[in-house]
Amino acid sequence: DGGITQSPKYLFRKEGQNVTLSCEQNLNHDAMYWYRQDPGQGLRLIYYSQIVNDFQKGDIAEGYSVSREKKESFPLTVTSAQKNPTAFYLCASIVFGGAGNTIYFGEGSWLTVV
Amino acid sequence: KQEVTQIPAALSVPEGENLVLNCSFTDSAIYNLQWFRQDPGKGLTSLLLIQSSQREQTSGRLNASLDKSSGRSTLYIAASQPGDSATYLCAVREVGGTSYGKLTFGQGTILTVHP
Repeated sequence: DGGITQSPKYLFRKEGQNVTLSCEQNLNHDAMYWYRQDPGQGLRLIYYSQIVNDFQKGDIAEGYSVSREKKESFPLTVTSAQKNPTAFYLCASIVFGGAGNTIYFGEGSWLTVV
Repeated sequence: KQEVTQIPAALSVPEGENLVLNCSFTDSAIYNLQWFRQDPGKGLTSLLLIQSSQREQTSGRLNASLDKSSGRSTLYIAASQPGDSATYLCAVREVGGTSYGKLTFGQGTILTVHP
């Protein structure tokens, strides 16, 4: 089945560590996104990529990094510079062209700082 | 900067009631508006998508309307069921350019339908 796969579902990070969240899609979608969700909050955009080897900062990019070496993959690295990384992270993708394109989301990854 | 607000923040209703969730946005230059459902600890599932040129969309017991000029959308749920309990989020998609496909989300409405 086509979809977006995020891994791991749960991740624990020690202070000073970098961790990477994986996002893979087999929908042949052009654009991919990373959102952060805090309890009781809406989603805030971290980074997005519209084509391979190109990405743009979202509203809260500080302390995060991404890469887009393949169309189907958009990993997110949470660096030690992110001071409050505990949150729920959601990856999404969309195809360009046509009207009414729906965005698809993965099941999310929980990151906790220990 | 686009801002999206959802009212109410939480809603608790008895089964069978019809209910309305509200979403407002500050910049009317949108490509479309989507309503999503999110179950606890899960990703988002798209419910309805309304293009900027449309007034409403319907799917089963759900009806979403859009008044772009006033920056408002409503999600109407008919004959609510306990299985409708979830967080409902609206999001607007910006028009073209480098922000293509970028969605701005509201904070969501937590809906509880009790038997």
